[in-house]
Amino acid sequence: QAVVTQEPSLTVSPGGTVTLTCGSSTGAVSSDLFPNWFQQKPGQAPRTLIYDTSNKHSWTPARFSGSLLGGKAALTLSGAQPDDEADYYCLLSYTGGEVFGGGTKLTVL
Amino acid sequence: EVQLVESGGGLIQPGGSLRLSCAASGFTVSTTYMTWVRQAPGKGLEWVSVIHSGGTTLYADSVKGRFTISRDNSKNTLFLQMNSLRAEDTAIYYCASPRSNFWGQGTLVTVSS
Repeated sequence: QAVVTQEPSLTVSPGGTVTLTCGSSTGAVSSDLFPNWFQQKPGQAPRTLIYDTSNKHSWTPARFSGSLLGGKAALTLSGAQPDDEADYYCLLSYTGGEVFGGGTKLTVL
Repeated sequence: EVQLVESGGGLIQPGGSLRLSCAASGFTVSTTYMTWVRQAPGKGLEWVSVIHSGGTTLYADSVKGRFTISRDNSKNTLFLQMNSLRAEDTAIYYCASPRSNFWGQGTLVTVSS
C-alpha cells in the first residue's frame, strides 16, 4: 500500500499562519484521492476538519482551509489559536484502501 | 443526535479472537461507508478496514486475511471480527464514518500473554 507523508512537527506563533502538507508515494495528490484532514487532541477521538480536499464541517473553524498545493494536499491554518495545538492527520483514498499520514504535531507557541 | 458506541475490546492472548461491535444511532450505517481505524499507544492513526454502502470491503495489508468487517443492517451495527491476534494489534479501535465526522469513543484491545 502507498505511503502518505506529513511533517512530523510544526510550530506556529499565536495569530500566525501555517500550512501542513500531505504527500503520496504514488505521485501527485489530486482530488481523486479525496484528501481528508483530522484533528486529534490528547485523550480524545479524532475529529474531521476537512473532507474531499476542501470541504468543511459545521464545526470546522473558518481559520482552517484545505487545498491542493504543489502536488500535495494542504491544510492551512490562518490566525492560529492556542486551542489549535493538536495532532493533525491526513487520509488519502486509493483503489485498494485508505492510508493515513503519520501525523503532524502542531505546537502554538 | 449521531452516536457510535464501540464495545467488545479487552485483554486477549496472542493467537486469540475478538469481535468488536459499533452500535450506531442517528443515521443508517448501510447508507454510507463505515471504517475501522486504530491507534496503538503513543502512535498515529492507522486505517484498518472499510465497508462501502454497496457492501464492498477493503483491508489494510497488516490485517488482511485475519480481520473481517461486516454490518447488521437490522441492528444498525458495524462489526470487526479479529482473528489470529498479535501483540502489534494492541490499540484503541475506533469505528467511524470519517467523511461525515461520525466517530466513536474507541475501544481498547490489548493482545498480551
